[in-house]
Amino acid sequence: DAGITQSPRHKVTETGTPVTLRCHQTENHRYMYWYRQDPGHGLRLIHYSYGVKDTDKGEVSDGYSVSRSKTEDFLLTLESATSSQTSVYFCAISEQGKGLGYFGPGTRLTVT
Amino acid sequence: DQQVKQNSPSLSVQEGRISILNCDYTNSMFDYFLWYKKYPAEGPTFLISISSIKDKNEDGRFTVFLNKSAKHLSLHIVPSQPGDSAVYFCAANGFGNEKLTFGTGTRLTIIP
Repeated sequence: DAGITQSPRHKVTETGTPVTLRCHQTENHRYMYWYRQDPGHGLRLIHYSYGVKDTDKGEVSDGYSVSRSKTEDFLLTLESATSSQTSVYFCAISEQGKGLGYFGPGTRLTVT
Repeated sequence: DQQVKQNSPSLSVQEGRISILNCDYTNSMFDYFLWYKKYPAEGPTFLISISSIKDKNEDGRFTVFLNKSAKHLSLHIVPSQPGDSAVYFCAANGFGNEKLTFGTGTRLTIIP
């Protein structure tokens, strides 16, 4: 299995609180991605990174920010969580950037 | 606007028969297509891909067909096995674009 982990795996938080999800890889892959999975929507890209300190927005980036200060870590922050951000969040990594990557196990986030 | 569509939310197939999962896309700039398989409580795993310069790619029991004129691709699984029961996502991206666009997924159930 590819070396990609996510923490925490489960989190329940209240509306308005900040939340940070962490993705850690040991593969030294250049590209890292954050997706959310929701029923009826499949997987939607939130943000991605193409190198240290290089990030760009995906299709559902509103309400989210990211940071990548090291190759191995990609952080997703919800500045002020809302109920619409209740979802399962997946991190993915890719060496080539053509989608031939690996996904992490996911983080289930519930905002009450 | 859903650029990658999987119009069948679910599909049931007898063990040993052929499973055919379909995917349509609208963006003519897409030139690389992938299928991912996802089990419950796990991240998606890469299954098979195809470039737009081909119309077929085969890997063991899995074959992906691409019809560019119809903007349609399909995944064939022959013979279907109980372990194939999962959600299958179709995904696509374009030349020079590191971002994958996913379909909404099809839940495949193999009946023993």
